[in-house]
Amino acid sequence: GENVEQHPSTLSVQEGDSAVIKCTYSDSASNYFPWYKQELGKRPQLIIDIRSNVGEKKDQRIAVTLNKTAKHFSLHITETQPEDSAVYFCAASISNAGKSTFGDGTTLTVKP
Amino acid sequence: DVKVTQSSRYLVKRTGEKVFLECVQDMDHENMFWYRQDPGLGLRLIYFSYDVKMKEKGDIPEGYSVSREKKERFSLILESASTNQTSMYLCASSFHGYGYTFGSGTRLTVV
Repeated sequence: GENVEQHPSTLSVQEGDSAVIKCTYSDSASNYFPWYKQELGKRPQLIIDIRSNVGEKKDQRIAVTLNKTAKHFSLHITETQPEDSAVYFCAASISNAGKSTFGDGTTLTVKP
Repeated sequence: DVKVTQSSRYLVKRTGEKVFLECVQDMDHENMFWYRQDPGLGLRLIYFSYDVKMKEKGDIPEGYSVSREKKERFSLILESASTNQTSMYLCASSFHGYGYTFGSGTRLTVV
């Protein structure tokens, strides 16, 4: 089955700096890659996703890139703010199969 | 907004008890999922369902079963609760696997 590895497990940045979280996947058939943000004590929420026919997608301060050949994808957060502090999960799935495999999560801390 | 509601936020059960965790979604999603979340282990899939009365095992189904008698409701059953099933349980639903909506979670403690 699919295996997703996520790095780093913890990341600390100064407010205003950029943060990058990287994930690799094993199943070349995977074609849908969502990212979720989980604030302390809250449910994970979808923040951005990318499909395999697209190399990059942006939404304000966040962007995701996908390299299908290398089977890795990354989350980029620019101009980080304290409210970006959370656990971020990447995931990979074959869209019509329905289920996602998640990475282990990255705890991002943005220091004011 | 899609809502996924889990019946209990916190539960404490005794070893050997049969435990039911309920999840209801209100947006007619075909797919529903049960994950458990443990520190350092991320989100691990227990079971999922892509239609009424349909179910498939995830990565860690041992000790669990599920029921989906109606499209909006997906129940997770711990047949005989054990201490190693102490965890946060998250239910989710999605439209054909795109973009999960999660419930608030049930923190289960088995003593």
